[in-house]
Amino acid sequence: GNSVTQMEGPVTLSEEAFLTINCTYTATGYPSLFWYVQYPGEGLQLLLKATKADDKGSNKGFEATYRKETTSFHLEKGSVQVSDSAVYFCALFSGSARQLTFGSGTQLTVLP
Amino acid sequence: KAGVTQTPRYLIKTRGQQVTLSCSPISGHRSVSWYQQTPGQGLQFLFEYFSETQRNKGNFPGRFSGRQFSNSRSEMNVSTLELGDSALYLCATQESGQETQYFGPGTRLLVL
Repeated sequence: GNSVTQMEGPVTLSEEAFLTINCTYTATGYPSLFWYVQYPGEGLQLLLKATKADDKGSNKGFEATYRKETTSFHLEKGSVQVSDSAVYFCALFSGSARQLTFGSGTQLTVLP
Repeated sequence: KAGVTQTPRYLIKTRGQQVTLSCSPISGHRSVSWYQQTPGQGLQFLFEYFSETQRNKGNFPGRFSGRQFSNSRSEMNVSTLELGDSALYLCATQESGQETQYFGPGTRLLVL
């Protein structure tokens, strides 16, 4: 079956530090890959996505590249802000399974 | 366009009771999926509805059920509530033929 393995948290960074959250996946076929963010007391917000190999998704300074050869979709941001503090989820959507499969989530805290 | 809406936002029930949660999709989105989020199990897929038909189902007991109406609004029902049903229930909607799911704010259910 499909699975997503995500970097364990929590992650604590100082403002303006570089962020990497690792994500690897196992899936049949060619899934689409997503990063969602969840702020306290809220639902999931789509952060970025990539639908095929070598695609780069980007939004609000965050980036992730769909690497088929390493089955990875690592999230990066060059300079984090306090407002980026949240839980980040890596997910894949397989057309055959017709559902999102999520990683366990990574809690990010950015200190001023 | 208005986003995905879920009602109610918070619910407190006692064991043995039943509960109905509602989800209104983004205009034009005909697919509605439901997920359960708990600290222990993370995000798990419950079921998906499209054109008033359940198209996919996760690994949950029959106490969890759902339906979809002709206007694409969906409800999920949990009967004979157990303490372990305490969770955030998230609804996600998507356009036909697309793989991106957009989430509502969730309904937080507490079973006492």
